[in-house]
Amino acid sequence: DVKVTQSSRYLVKRTGEKVFLECVQDMDHENMFWYRQDPGLGLRLIYFSYDVKMKEKGDIPEGYSVSREKKERFSLILESASTNQTSMYLCASSPPRGTDTQYFGPGTRLTVL
Amino acid sequence: AQSVTQLDSQVPVFEEAPVELRCNYSSSVSVYLFWYVQYPNQGLQLLLKYLSGSTLVKGINGFEAEFNKSQTSFHLRKPSVHISDTAEYFCAVEGSARQLTFGSGTQLTVLP
Repeated sequence: DVKVTQSSRYLVKRTGEKVFLECVQDMDHENMFWYRQDPGLGLRLIYFSYDVKMKEKGDIPEGYSVSREKKERFSLILESASTNQTSMYLCASSPPRGTDTQYFGPGTRLTVL
Repeated sequence: AQSVTQLDSQVPVFEEAPVELRCNYSSSVSVYLFWYVQYPNQGLQLLLKYLSGSTLVKGINGFEAEFNKSQTSFHLRKPSVHISDTAEYFCAVEGSARQLTFGSGTQLTVLP
């Protein structure tokens, strides 16, 4: 079974703090993704990565950055957290296009006070 | 670029009744289509996928979907729902790049 794990299920931070969300997958997938999920908006793509040290902006990258130093790990960074970044964050990984779908982690519910 | 429209944000239905959750997409290239389910406080779980071949796709938990290219639709169906099917359902399309574009979700509530 594919396993995608995220470092925290719940996180509470203060405005202005630097926040790291970690994601690890154990299936040697090339592709990894970070989404945020908000009621009525579905999932929106923040950043994704096709390979180590590669990153691409998604639909809503503002206020976020990412790091992929190892194939199995993809980190989302909030440089200076703001209250409008309170959300559920979901990480996913996938093999090459057309072979299978994306597999999701359980999510991190981040609250910024 | 592609987009996904889930036409109903909420669908209440009685137990053992049939249900259809509607999904329409737009894309200028060939697509792969997916339905995911999300139970409360959990991540997304794949229900079924269309990559190629038969346009009628069967998934887990008795769900199925039909890919209709002319109508650009991928509606999800189940002939008889259970209380345990109460969850949020997301339709998604993967276009020429590898990222998924999701619809806004449909909350299915099964009533006793």
